[in-house]
Amino acid sequence: DIVMTQSPDSLAVSLGERATINCKSSQSVLYSSNNKNYLAWYQQKPGQPPKLLIYWASIRESGVPDRFSGSGSGTDFTLTISSLQAEDVAVYYCQQYYRTPITFGQGTRLEIK
Amino acid sequence: EVQLVESGGDLVQPGGSLRLSCAASGFTFSDHYMDWVRQAPGKGLEWVGRIRDKTNSYTTEYAASVKGRFTISRDASKNSLYVQMKSLKTEDTAVYYCARVCSGGSCYSKEGTFDYWGQGTLVTVSS
Repeated sequence: DIVMTQSPDSLAVSLGERATINCKSSQSVLYSSNNKNYLAWYQQKPGQPPKLLIYWASIRESGVPDRFSGSGSGTDFTLTISSLQAEDVAVYYCQQYYRTPITFGQGTRLEIK
Repeated sequence: EVQLVESGGDLVQPGGSLRLSCAASGFTFSDHYMDWVRQAPGKGLEWVGRIRDKTNSYTTEYAASVKGRFTISRDASKNSLYVQMKSLKTEDTAVYYCARVCSGGSCYSKEGTFDYWGQGTLVTVSS
């Protein structure tokens, strides 16, 4: 199984400041035949299901604010929120969909400092 | 509008059985893989299993933690997804979500992602 490890487990950032969450996979999730990283980011707010934010490691889902960006390739990935807003308080998960079993990181809880 | 609505969650004793349902609407159900994902109270997301589309013969895959105990199925005539759970353990206590897997067609650009989720249904396994 591909193990996904996020860091940090929790993060407190001031409003308007940058938040950075890291995700590392135990194996590469880059598919060489199409040069795509099978890595997604999800946001989960309390009492809600997860919401797709980013796919192919760096493509924003429709309707996601442009302050959210994803980067990385192979085994190391980053989710960045350029200017934290109050509504961004949530738990963020990375996910590999390169192969089954589908696996998620343990989650990073983002709070306001 | 795509909608996924789970039902069937309940309190069940260890060793018991339960069937969850997920009613889908707003998209061509038979064209998409469908997955179950669970979340234990206060914990992270855990993939439970998948059922593929008709083109892929509705084949299934399961997480090791549920293989042999859970069975995923779908009914195209009812646009519904199911998971039959047996020999339930306390560690199966969780909110169970159904999720649509982007699979071809209009979803090709993000194939493989979980683009829609239901609100979840709570399964509690306790004596």
